Amino acid sequence: ETGVTQSPTHLIKTRGQQVTLRCSSQSGHNTVSWYQQALGQGPQFIFQYYREEENGRGNFPPRFSGLQFPNYSSELNVNALELDDSALYLCASSSDNYGYTFGSGTRLTVV
Amino acid sequence: QQQVKQSPQSLIVQKGGISIINCAYENTAFDYFPWYQQFPGKGPALLIAIRPDVSEKKEGRFTISFNKSAKQFSLHIMDSQPGDSATYFCAANPLYGGSQGNLIFGKGTKLSVKP
Repeated sequence: ETGVTQSPTHLIKTRGQQVTLRCSSQSGHNTVSWYQQALGQGPQFIFQYYREEENGRGNFPPRFSGLQFPNYSSELNVNALELDDSALYLCASSSDNYGYTFGSGTRLTVV
Repeated sequence: QQQVKQSPQSLIVQKGGISIINCAYENTAFDYFPWYQQFPGKGPALLIAIRPDVSEKKEGRFTISFNKSAKQFSLHIMDSQPGDSATYFCAANPLYGGSQGNLIFGKGTKLSVKP
């Protein structure tokens, strides 16, 4: 059984650019959530996808958007990057909306 | 805004001792309270979880105590080992409002277990 895999592991972008982060959910998991974890903080919920539809959103602006594909993999897109977007972005998947398995994350640095 | 407050921010325990981390929440509409363990450079890993109809759950050296009336829950790590050194997060899962799966995390406790 494979876990949640995220790519890339590290990324450096310039302010104003756009970025796409990718996530492959754990086998058998149909729900994917994305979290932003700033240094020294707990993860903060960005949004959740279930059956290719957004199924809940946290307090993040519309420039944070996502997709879920028929194989349950997912993308997080961030437009017009700001310095404060620098963080660890975590993808988590679940089959029952409770037991979430997290990936190791993508470390995004905006300069 | 729903919040989960976690304490202490950091904790140093001797090998073999008991580590205790506390969390409190401000909203009753939560139905699931997991604890996550995170090592540097890794994502959080589910350690143990409890539902509000249970007052205690034990798995190996890890125990969650849950006090529904006080809106508090805690993690106890018995016989703490250096390998337990990590950051621990409590979390709560909202029951309603299209936010299922929106885990609300505490700010974390950095545990160091000294040999």
